[in-house]
Amino acid sequence: EAGVAQSPRYKIIEKRQSVAFWCNPISGHATLYWYQQILGQGPKLLIQFQNNGVVDDSQLPKDRFSAERLKGVDSTLKIQPAKLEDSAVYLCASSPVGSGINYGYTFGSGTRLTVV
Amino acid sequence: KNQVEQSPQSLIILEGKNCTLQCNYTVSPFSNLRWYKQDTGRGPVSLTIMTFSENTKSNGRYTATLDADTKQSSLHITASQLSDSASYICVVTAWGNNRLAFGKGNQVVVIP
Repeated sequence: EAGVAQSPRYKIIEKRQSVAFWCNPISGHATLYWYQQILGQGPKLLIQFQNNGVVDDSQLPKDRFSAERLKGVDSTLKIQPAKLEDSAVYLCASSPVGSGINYGYTFGSGTRLTVV
Repeated sequence: KNQVEQSPQSLIILEGKNCTLQCNYTVSPFSNLRWYKQDTGRGPVSLTIMTFSENTKSNGRYTATLDADTKQSSLHITASQLSDSASYICVVTAWGNNRLAFGKGNQVVVIP
């Protein structure tokens, strides 16, 4: 079974520039999550989708971050404009709904963003 | 206050030695607890998952324990190898809303 695919693996941008990350979840997983992980910290949930609807975006800085999952499959997370404190690893995860969520929850390899 | 606390924050161990990592949580109601291994620059990879009724689970040289009464878990690494150098993250899921609470991780460095 293919895992959660993310790209790019690394990105370096200057502050005030824009950046976008892409995630393709495991086939059949209805739920998709974006996390921000700052060095030395645990992941922080930014947004959760179920199919193409937003379930939770309470911790998403909506003035600069946006995310979409138009067809309920792959997703894009955008930062515009980037700040120095956005430097982090951005993780995508997916899971099935229902009881399968516990055993099917899978992370991608992440995108490491450095803002200079 | 974080709902999942891990200790020690970091430790260095000699190759071949054992170590134990601790996780205390306050998440309630409880659904399950997972331990993940995260190599530097990579996404977390699941090691074990335990529900309320399970108090121990092994995955190779990794053994996790759970005491749901005291809300404590441990991850024991036996005969450590250099490849065990990583961050080990404890994740607790709440029953009902399936919200995940992450610890900050235990940073383990194995030296030859």
